[in-house]
Amino acid sequence: QITLKESGPTLVKPTQTLTLTCTFSGFSFSTSGVAVGWIRQSPGKALEWLAAISWDDVKRYSPSLKSRLTISKDTSKDQVVLTMTNMDPVDTATYYCVYRQPAAVGNWFDPWGQGTLVTVSS
Amino acid sequence: DIQMTQSPSSLSASLGDRVTITCRASQPISTWLAWYQQKPGKAPKLLIYAASSLQTGVPSRFSGSGSGTDFTLTINGLQPEDFATYYCQLGVTIPAFGPGTKVAVK
Repeated sequence: QITLKESGPTLVKPTQTLTLTCTFSGFSFSTSGVAVGWIRQSPGKALEWLAAISWDDVKRYSPSLKSRLTISKDTSKDQVVLTMTNMDPVDTATYYCVYRQPAAVGNWFDPWGQGTLVTVSS
Repeated sequence: DIQMTQSPSSLSASLGDRVTITCRASQPISTWLAWYQQKPGKAPKLLIYAASSLQTGVPSRFSGSGSGTDFTLTINGLQPEDFATYYCQLGVTIPAFGPGTKVAVK
């Protein structure tokens, strides 16, 4: 069974850097085709894809947020880390960690983590 | 960038109804499309991928169709657990989601 769980601060101040960790189980980055990504959802709003990292360490970012995002993986800990710099109140959202199956031809995600709500406020 | 739109933004339906939700891409995307269901306070759940393939474990009353720019999610025989918000998603290298369609009780 594949599970993912997000962790990180629930409250950050404007201009600070957010660091989120996704701890997963049930799969390994040693499997060709595996990818883990991050998606966020502002309160009452739609979903927004942020970034993803693949088994071969290829990293992809949302073009609109690329300058603020960094994604990395720690295979020894089965974790993926997302950092977002210069946080603003508009970045208040629930942040989800997601899994892309290696057999998936397209970029779709299942399962998702439970999500973690991050509020940006002074 | 490819933009995804959905219609309607919300609808009201009764148990047993057939519900149809439409998703449109701003340019052709072949069948690179997925559908998700999201209930309040929960993470989205993958229902359909590659436009028409049913994810394992998803009830057969859900179906997807379309290719190119126009896609449809159909629920045949709406059940109580189907009242939720549905999102389409462009499934290419840089994904994008539609704005969502909320299915509410009539």
